[in-house]
Formats: sequence, structure tokens, C-alpha cells
Amino acid sequence: KAGVTQTPRYLIKTRGQQVTLSCSPISGHRSVSWYQQTPGQGLQFLFEYFSETQRNKGNFPGRFSGRQFSNSRSEMNVSTLELGDSALYLCASSPGGPLLGELFFGEGSRLTVL
Amino acid sequence: QQQVKQSPQSLIVQKGGIPIINCAYENTAFDYFPWYQQFPGKGPALLIAIRPDVSEKKEGRFTISFNKSAKQFSLHIMDSQPGDSATYFCAALGGSQGNLIFGKGTKLSVKP
Repeated sequence: KAGVTQTPRYLIKTRGQQVTLSCSPISGHRSVSWYQQTPGQGLQFLFEYFSETQRNKGNFPGRFSGRQFSNSRSEMNVSTLELGDSALYLCASSPGGPLLGELFFGEGSRLTVL
Repeated sequence: QQQVKQSPQSLIVQKGGIPIINCAYENTAFDYFPWYQQFPGKGPALLIAIRPDVSEKKEGRFTISFNKSAKQFSLHIMDSQPGDSATYFCAALGGSQGNLIFGKGTKLSVKP
């Protein structure tokens, strides 16, 4: 069974630009969660989608948004990039959501903002 | 209320030693406490998890100890090996909190 796939793995953007990151969950998993990982703050929750609906949202500004498609694939978008948005963005999938058990993480998309 | 505090930030032990990583939480509604292991260049992976109805859980060389009254839980790695060198994250979930809240991580280095 294929794991969680995130694309692109690495990207470099400049301040003010926008970026879209993609996540393909494990087949059959309907929940996709996104996390931002930085050395100083660790893993911080961005949002969770289940069956195309945002079910939970973390404490991030509106520049961070996401969506989920009918095939459970998910994208997150960051607009008007700031230097502080440089981070590893991790996607995690699960069959029914975090409340029901294990999250399976992808290897992440490493974003550098110059 | 929603934080999970993890210590130490980094830990170096010799092969065969027993590293211990501690976590504390405030929200008494939390009822699921997993530990995730992350190797460089990889995403975190579930290592072991516990619910508050038990005080200890073992899986191989990994043990979680849970103290409900103190709102603390810890990870012990028996007979640690260089291959255990990774970053370890504790987390908590439950009540109205529908997403995992992670500690800031402990970077473990096991010297040969």
C-alpha cells in the first residue's frame, strides 16, 4: 500500500508570492491533516479535512488555506508569503480522523521563503 | 490549557542506556497520548500510544509510563541503540480538541 505522498518536496519562493502544496493520502483514508514544522515551534496544527469539509482549524492567519477533493487528495495554499513561513509542511492521513487513531505522515514539503 | 510541554530538548546517551523523555499536559479532557518518532528527512511515525485507564504500556524496548494525577507521561527506551537516534514527539488528544497537540520534540542521540 502506498504511503502519503507530498509534492513538491522542496521549493523556494520569495516574499509576497503564493504557494500551493499537494498531498495524496493513503488509499481509503478520508481524513487529511496539515502541520507546520519549525525548529522553534515544533509541529503546529494547521487544519484537518474530512470528506471535503474542513473539520478543524488551528491558530494560523487567513493566508493559510486548504481544500480537499472528492478523491481525498488535499492541497494547502499560502498567500503573500513571509520569511517566517519557511518551514517543513507535513500532511498526515487517517481513515477517520485523529480522534479515531494513528496519523500517517508524509515526508513533507520543505518551503524556503527568501 | 492546550499545551503539551516536553523535556529535555535534546538527550545524548551511550548504547545500552535508558533515555527518558517527559511530557506534561494541563487539559484533563485529553484521553489519548501517542509518541511519534521522526528520522531526518522523514515524516513522524507512530511509535506507541496510551490511554489514561492504564499506568504503563510496553511495546518491545519502548515503554510509556502515565501518571494521571500528575498529568504527566514519559517514554523510556530500554537497551537503546544507535538506530534509535531520532527526534521524539509526545502528543495529546481528547475532549473538544479534535487534533493532536504535539510537544516540541526531543532530539535523541545514542552513541555507539
